[in-house]
Amino acid sequence: GAGVSQSPSNKVTEKGKDVELRCDPISGHTALYWYRQRLGQGLEFLIYFQGNSAPDKSGLPSDRFSAERTGESVSTLTIQRTQQEDSAVYLCASSITGGASGNTIYFGEGSWLTVV
Amino acid sequence: AQSVTQPDIHITVSEGASLELRCNYSYGATPYLFWYVQSPGQGLQLLLKYFSGDTLVQGIKGFEAEFKRSQSSFNLRKPSVHWSDAAEYFCAVAPGGTYKYIFGTGTRLKVLA
Repeated sequence: GAGVSQSPSNKVTEKGKDVELRCDPISGHTALYWYRQRLGQGLEFLIYFQGNSAPDKSGLPSDRFSAERTGESVSTLTIQRTQQEDSAVYLCASSITGGASGNTIYFGEGSWLTVV
Repeated sequence: AQSVTQPDIHITVSEGASLELRCNYSYGATPYLFWYVQSPGQGLQLLLKYFSGDTLVQGIKGFEAEFKRSQSSFNLRKPSVHWSDAAEYFCAVAPGGTYKYIFGTGTRLKVLA
């Protein structure tokens, strides 16, 4: 597609429920990233995919967070047993290649998650 | 530790006035530097980036930024602000050109008519 597409744009969930956030990167981009943006804060790196593999998961805050990517395209970020501190905007991004290439990263509009 | 500091949380300027948003970074070598803008309800849009070469970088929407190695700064400027520039601005560094961008906490710009 023309840009990084994320869904849902907004999600309100009850504490303890699982949520899935979807990202469709720019066509042809092999690298995909997930970031989290809490209110009033900068972005935090969560995970990086190169193709379908995730060489860097170091930013995932706990084992309740997981992500997968299939077909070198769509990625899903799953948060299990959501907690109120998980409330944030989850931003997906992609770039032509990853690693230390210095390629510009393009961001989607984000998925606003509110845990009540 | 690597970090990015945007010392101004909020800035208010009048339409037509000049603008400078500050960004300082902490990194041993010259990193890749970026400015992104986030309008309400929107994703981040890249304004400009610096990798090497000319230290004055031109971006979209009339923005420019200057890399000053001696000050570890990458300040964003615009000579005449438009009401549509009201948004939040994030400075980011990519140490060694990697994907692990480090973002500042952002500066929220308000433009007075």
